[in-house]
Amino acid sequence: EVQLLDSGGDLVQPGGSLRLSCAASGFTFGSYAMSWVRQAPGKGLEWVSGISGSGGTTYYADSVKDRFTISRDNSKNTLYLQMNSLRADDSAVYYCARKPRPFDYWGPGTLVTVSS
Amino acid sequence: EIVLTQSPGTLSLSPGERATLSCRASQSVPNTYLAWYQQVPGQPPRLLIHGASSRATGIPDRFSGSGSGTDFTLTISRLEPEDFAVYYCQQSGSSPYTFGQGTKLEIK
Repeated sequence: EVQLLDSGGDLVQPGGSLRLSCAASGFTFGSYAMSWVRQAPGKGLEWVSGISGSGGTTYYADSVKDRFTISRDNSKNTLYLQMNSLRADDSAVYYCARKPRPFDYWGPGTLVTVSS
Repeated sequence: EIVLTQSPGTLSLSPGERATLSCRASQSVPNTYLAWYQQVPGQPPRLLIHGASSRATGIPDRFSGSGSGTDFTLTISRLEPEDFAVYYCQQSGSSPYTFGQGTKLEIK
C-alpha cells in the first residue's frame, strides 16, 4: 500500500526557515517524480515544487522560486522541502504528492504558520 | 501559465440528482494531462479522473470525465451523500501545474 507521511510543519516567524519531510513507503520511491502542493486556510490548491525520480531535475512555482528548495534522499525514501525567507502568505497546509501527472497519492498534510 | 476556470463556484443539488462541473483552460491542454480531484474538509485531495476521462483506481462508475482542448467536464450521474465536497480540475501539461479554483458541491 502506497503511503506518504508529511511532517515538519510549525509556527515560524516571518523571515524564518523550516524544513518539511515526507516519508514514503509501499512503492519504489526512486522511480517516481514527487511534488509539494499547498493550500492556504479556506483557499484552493497551489502546486509549489516538483522533483524527478533521480533528483536531477527540479521545478518551482514563481511564488517560491529562490526561497524554497526541493530535494530527496532515495536511500531513505524521503522527500524534503527547505523553506527560507518565509512570509505570511506561505502559511498553508503543505501536502507531498506522488507524481505530477497526475498527483495520484497524497500525504495527510502538515501545517505551516508564518506569524510573529 | 495556464489558468483553469471552474464553474459554477457552488452547485446546490439533492442526493440522486446529476451534477455537471465545468473546467475551462486559458490554453489548450492535452487530454493526457487533465485531472479531477475531490476534497472533503480536513482531508487531502483524492484523485478521481486522470487523462480527462479515465477513472482512478477504486472510483465508482457514477463519476465520469469528458472534454478536450480547453473545455472539460466532470459528471456525477447520481449523487450519493458522500459526494458532497469540493472538486478541483488540474493540468500538468506545462509547468507550473495549475489547479482550478474549485467547485463546491453542497446539499440542497
